[in-house]
Amino acid sequence: DAKTTQPNSMESNEEEPVHLPCNHSTISGTDYIHWYRQLPSQGPEYVIHGLTSNVNNRMASLAIAEDRKSSTLILHRATLRDAAVYYCILRGMTDSNYQLIWGAGTKLIIKP
Amino acid sequence: DTEVTQTPKHLVMGMTNKKSLKCEQHMGHRAMYWYKQKAKKPPELMFVYSYEKLSINESVPSRFSPECPNSSLLNLHLHALQPEDSALYLCASSQVYTTTYEQYFGPGTRLTVT
Repeated sequence: DAKTTQPNSMESNEEEPVHLPCNHSTISGTDYIHWYRQLPSQGPEYVIHGLTSNVNNRMASLAIAEDRKSSTLILHRATLRDAAVYYCILRGMTDSNYQLIWGAGTKLIIKP
Repeated sequence: DTEVTQTPKHLVMGMTNKKSLKCEQHMGHRAMYWYKQKAKKPPELMFVYSYEKLSINESVPSRFSPECPNSSLLNLHLHALQPEDSALYLCASSQVYTTTYEQYFGPGTRLTVT
């Protein structure tokens, strides 16, 4: 199974952009890249996903390298409510389409 | 309604007890999941139900017994657990045929085995 590598933790100032990196050098051509985050004392929540092209939604942007071996989750203007563990996840297109291969996660600390 | 509810929020049980965790969703999702999460670790998949049938069992010990009585409910029956089974148990649901397979998670049940 393909794996992801993320920094253990990152700090950022409030109202500044945050770039959360993820390496997935063994990604296969059909693996989707998903990001979820888990706020303290809550279950994980979906943030964004992509396959090859960069993606934007109301929560964040996802920048995917041309060779797909890495990606970056971008929070354009971090707030204190964005403090969470962010997971970079691969989802393969197999019979088990439901399975998410979770990375170890990056704990994002937002400083006021 | 995009909420997945789980009861109870906290559970303390002895190694000889039998208890059940419950999960409910009303989003019309036909895939439901149980995950186990230890402190400072990502969730680990335990079971997947698709159309109320067990489709994935990730080699989970038989002291954990899942049940999906209908498309909205998911139970996890616990019996003769060990202290190392203490963890946060998360339930999730998703559509089956969709490009995103976005999973919606409940807040979890914090289980302590004494």
